[in-house]
Amino acid sequence: GQSLEQPSEVTAVEGAIVQINCTYQTSGFYGLSWYQQHDGGAPTFLSYNALDGLEETGRFSSFLSRSDSYGYLLLQELQMKDSASYFCAALGSGGYQKVTFGIGTKLQVIP
Amino acid sequence: DAGVIQSPRHEVTEMGQEVTLRCKPISGHNSLFWYRQTMMRGLELLIYFNNNVPIDDSGMPEDRFSAKMPNASFSTLKIQPSEPRDSAVYFCASSRQNTEAFFGQGTRLTVV
Repeated sequence: GQSLEQPSEVTAVEGAIVQINCTYQTSGFYGLSWYQQHDGGAPTFLSYNALDGLEETGRFSSFLSRSDSYGYLLLQELQMKDSASYFCAALGSGGYQKVTFGIGTKLQVIP
Repeated sequence: DAGVIQSPRHEVTEMGQEVTLRCKPISGHNSLFWYRQTMMRGLELLIYFNNNVPIDDSGMPEDRFSAKMPNASFSTLKIQPSEPRDSAVYFCASSRQNTEAFFGQGTRLTVV
């Protein structure tokens, strides 16, 4: 089976940096994706890591350590519009790639 | 491309009634997912299709739920009979390589 763990809530100050952690247990792990979801909206893709290391996309970066079954999303120069839920999603095999989402981390950015 | 299209956006139905949710994936995507989202359980994978074939339906709650994908451009999720505990937002998503899934705007289902 597959399971992912994330903190349920995080609060950070506008302009600061915040890190959202994700640990996973999955068979046949392929990679880790991150999604953002604003209240009332649909999840939207942010990043994908298949290899160990840091992937940077603008203010957002994502990190993966396969040996530790761990990843994180790093948000820099936080803006109020970054207030949303963030999900990590593991791609695992089972014969086919299957995407399983974590419970999500609700990020609140405060002035 | 218009993205993943789901209908209806909102559905209110009485307990015991049949509910059918519809999804049109992005053209060219060979994977389709149905998810259910609630405050308590987060985003749960219900069923996964690859090339129109159901690959993993282990997330389908019970026999009241069924899903079909008769062709590459259409999928349905049916609940019969519906119950109040089925109230949730149901998302359909499609992808080409599963590394990036594109979500529809969801159907907010309320069963009273």
